[in-house]
Amino acid sequence: DTEVTQTPKHLVMGMTNKKSLKCEQHMGHRAMYWYKQKAKKPPELMFVYSYEKLSINESVPSRFSPECPNSSLLNLHLHALQPEDSALYLCASSQDDQGIYYEQYFGPGTRLTVT
Amino acid sequence: AQSVTQLDSHVSVSEGTPVLLRCNYSSSYSPSLFWYVQHPNKGLQLLLKYTSAATLVKGINGFEAEFKKSETSFHLTKPSAHMSDAAEYFCVVTPSSYKLIFGSGTRLLVRP
Repeated sequence: DTEVTQTPKHLVMGMTNKKSLKCEQHMGHRAMYWYKQKAKKPPELMFVYSYEKLSINESVPSRFSPECPNSSLLNLHLHALQPEDSALYLCASSQDDQGIYYEQYFGPGTRLTVT
Repeated sequence: AQSVTQLDSHVSVSEGTPVLLRCNYSSSYSPSLFWYVQHPNKGLQLLLKYTSAATLVKGINGFEAEFKKSETSFHLTKPSAHMSDAAEYFCVVTPSSYKLIFGSGTRLLVRP
């Protein structure tokens, strides 16, 4: 099974709301990633978790807060977002983050709209 | 520095004709290269990957790509396009363990 699942598929939130995105994989992968993708652009890396610890934060604003409760789950907590944060948020996983030959498997994404 | 250039932002083909999506890369050492496909409002799906084992790589759905070190290219081909191939295609190079360097993408249009 090479599936990464994400919930919800769509999310509309106001700028004062708090919401969370959820990602799950059962491939035994030890690295998990959050990406942001704007329309007609490639994905941009936001965070990397390696063995359940945050290893990379690509200078993401603090209104985005990642969490890795266990090796299969990855959350992205959202608070006080701006309209420009509206995008497709993609989760991915790979065997680990120490081998360049390890492909990343992507989930279907959450389409976020901030009003 | 590593980089990847997709030479065409849009490619339009007729159903049943060959597909060629071009990708050139820049890398100071032997890279790992991937092609991903993204259908509208979907996540990215891995089509194939090059990891130095063989220069001609076969992927899913009839796609293949050839790694040419002398030309620093990794073009994606398919002998016969299908309507379901219409999507955005990304060429990706991995200079380090976690970092994917994406090309700007090529939108493939398939005419009936």
